[in-house]
Amino acid sequence: QVQLQESGPGLVKPSETLSLTCSVSGVSIRSYYWNWIRQSPGRGLEWIGYFYFRGSSSYNPSLKSRVTISADTSRNQFSLKLTSVTAADTAVYYCVRRDATMVGGDFFDYWGQGSLVTVSS
Amino acid sequence: DIRMTQSPSSLSASVGDRVTITCRPSQRISDYLSWFQQRPGSAPKLLIYSTSSLQTGVPSRFSGSASGTNFTLTINTLQPEDFAIYYCQQSYSPPFTFGPGTKVDV
Repeated sequence: QVQLQESGPGLVKPSETLSLTCSVSGVSIRSYYWNWIRQSPGRGLEWIGYFYFRGSSSYNPSLKSRVTISADTSRNQFSLKLTSVTAADTAVYYCVRRDATMVGGDFFDYWGQGSLVTVSS
Repeated sequence: DIRMTQSPSSLSASVGDRVTITCRPSQRISDYLSWFQQRPGSAPKLLIYSTSSLQTGVPSRFSGSASGTNFTLTINTLQPEDFAIYYCQQSYSPPFTFGPGTKVDV
């Protein structure tokens, strides 16, 4: 059974770096695309980017200059780093699996429970 | 970016009703359209992918379809647990984008 679990600080100061880790069980992160998606009242659901073991990471252009998504395959974890955060980055952050293995199919099927990150001094 | 619009933004319904939610992308997305349900305090849950394919474990009262440039989520015989927010999302082209949501309440 596939499970994802986010971990990391719930409070980050403005201008600092937000760091979250997603621990995956039930499937290897060497397969599929591993994503971060965030949700806030002002921005709704926003795709941040993904890590793909067999290719390169891909990021939302609106965040690309500040985002890095990487992975530790030995621990079956992947991580998000978002630099120079402001209050606008306050959101619930979800780690999510994207399945694009089926012809004509491409969807976000497994989600973590979400991690609320507040940016405040 | 592909912009996703949904209508209505909210609707009131009763148990047993049939509910229809519409999603319209700003450009062609083939059939790369998913629907999610989100209950308070929970992560979004995949209901429908590829416009009309029912995700494993999702009740058959949920269905998806497309007509022209519009995509539709239909909930037949609304159940108490179906009162939630519903989102459409396109996977045709990154950045992957979501609609603003449709709240279904009593």
